[in-house]
Amino acid sequence: KAGVTQTPRYLIKTRGQQVTLSCSPISGHRSVSWYQQTPGQGLQFLFEYFSETQRNKGNFPGRFSGRQFSNSRSEMNVSTLELGDSALYLCASSWQLAGRMSYEQYFGPGTRLTVT
Amino acid sequence: TQLLEQSPQFLSIQEGENLTVYCNSSSVFSSLQWYRQEPGEGPVLLVTVVTGGEVKKLKRLTFQFGDARKDSSLHITAAQPGDTGLYLCAGAPGNQFYFGTGTSLTVIP
Repeated sequence: KAGVTQTPRYLIKTRGQQVTLSCSPISGHRSVSWYQQTPGQGLQFLFEYFSETQRNKGNFPGRFSGRQFSNSRSEMNVSTLELGDSALYLCASSWQLAGRMSYEQYFGPGTRLTVT
Repeated sequence: TQLLEQSPQFLSIQEGENLTVYCNSSSVFSSLQWYRQEPGEGPVLLVTVVTGGEVKKLKRLTFQFGDARKDSSLHITAAQPGDTGLYLCAGAPGNQFYFGTGTSLTVIP
């Protein structure tokens, strides 16, 4: 079974620009979560999507948004980039069975975003 | 204050030594996971502990879930350079998933 894939792997943007990152979950996984990882703050939860609906959201400003498509693929968007948005953005997928979510997350390799 | 506090934050040991990493919280978790992350990669799931007091072994790694399901520990026996990485505990006391503060382990050959 193919793992979680993320594109692009590396990205350099300028302050004020916007960026879209893509994530394809493991086949059969319907939940996709996004995380931001920085040396100072560690891994922080951005949001989680299930069946095209945002189910949970972390404490990030509205510049961070996401969506999920009918095939469970997900995108996240960051508008008006700031220097502090430089980070490794990780996507993770997990399964759900009979209404119960598995909290076992399977991560992609991440997208390294650098804002200059 | 982080929901899941790990200690120590950094650990540098010689090959062959034993070590223990701790993950503590004031919240109760239905389950806790442990992940290992290598530089430039996403975290990889090592184990899930579910029952209070549960002990799981994965080769030289032993994971324990506290009786009250508020804490967990990871013990590595005879550490090897391949064990080097960032160890993270994680769980969801409610609907949101939290990661611990992380323990960066370096095993020196």
